[in-house]
Amino acid sequence: QVQLQESGPGLVKPSETLSLTCTVSGGSITTYFWSYIRQPPGKGLEWIGHVSHTGSTNYNPSLKSRVTISLDTSKTQFSLKVNSVTAADTAVYYCAGEVRGRNYVWGSYRYYYYLDVWGKGTTVTVSS
Amino acid sequence: SYEVTQPPSVSVSPGQTASITCSGDKLGDKYASWYQQKPGQSPVLVIYQDTKRPSGIPERFSGSNSGNTATLTISGTQAMDEADYYCQAWDSSTTYVFGTGTKVTVL
Repeated sequence: QVQLQESGPGLVKPSETLSLTCTVSGGSITTYFWSYIRQPPGKGLEWIGHVSHTGSTNYNPSLKSRVTISLDTSKTQFSLKVNSVTAADTAVYYCAGEVRGRNYVWGSYRYYYYLDVWGKGTTVTVSS
Repeated sequence: SYEVTQPPSVSVSPGQTASITCSGDKLGDKYASWYQQKPGQSPVLVIYQDTKRPSGIPERFSGSNSGNTATLTISGTQAMDEADYYCQAWDSSTTYVFGTGTKVTVL
């Protein structure tokens, strides 16, 4: 059973860079795509982006200019960096393993993407 | 950008059926997933590919998706099912899209 654990500073100053790491255990890092999701206090979930086992990435368009996700297969870790943070980046940050594929239905392919396993989350506060 | 919406809250009596809807343009053409989140905990996948349940998820959780609406149904709702529920779809322009979340209260 794959398990994920987020780690990183709980407090970041405005305009600085938020950096988090997610450690994968109990399974192969090549099994999934690896995502980060965040949840501001009292609000809903927001997908940040993901990295594949080959290192290719895709990001939420609303955050793309400030976000980098990278993979370290030797350490079975993947990391998130968010530049130029503001108070609006205060949230619980989750890492998750993503399952994706496709089914051939009624003459065409239909693609599926879902988040199968989640870390416990880590709270990051942006404040001076 | 693609969006999906959910009712803010649903109330249900113990043992009754709770239905949570998720609405989006031609959502039935996409696969929907559902996540349960209890206070202070990370989300848990309860339905994927519209109707499938991961191992360990009780049979009382079921899903459907057609037209513009996906629905999560909890049959024989128990007190332990009280939680926030989020639908999720995937769109080529916005990638992962989460619903606004529905708080299920078991009265």
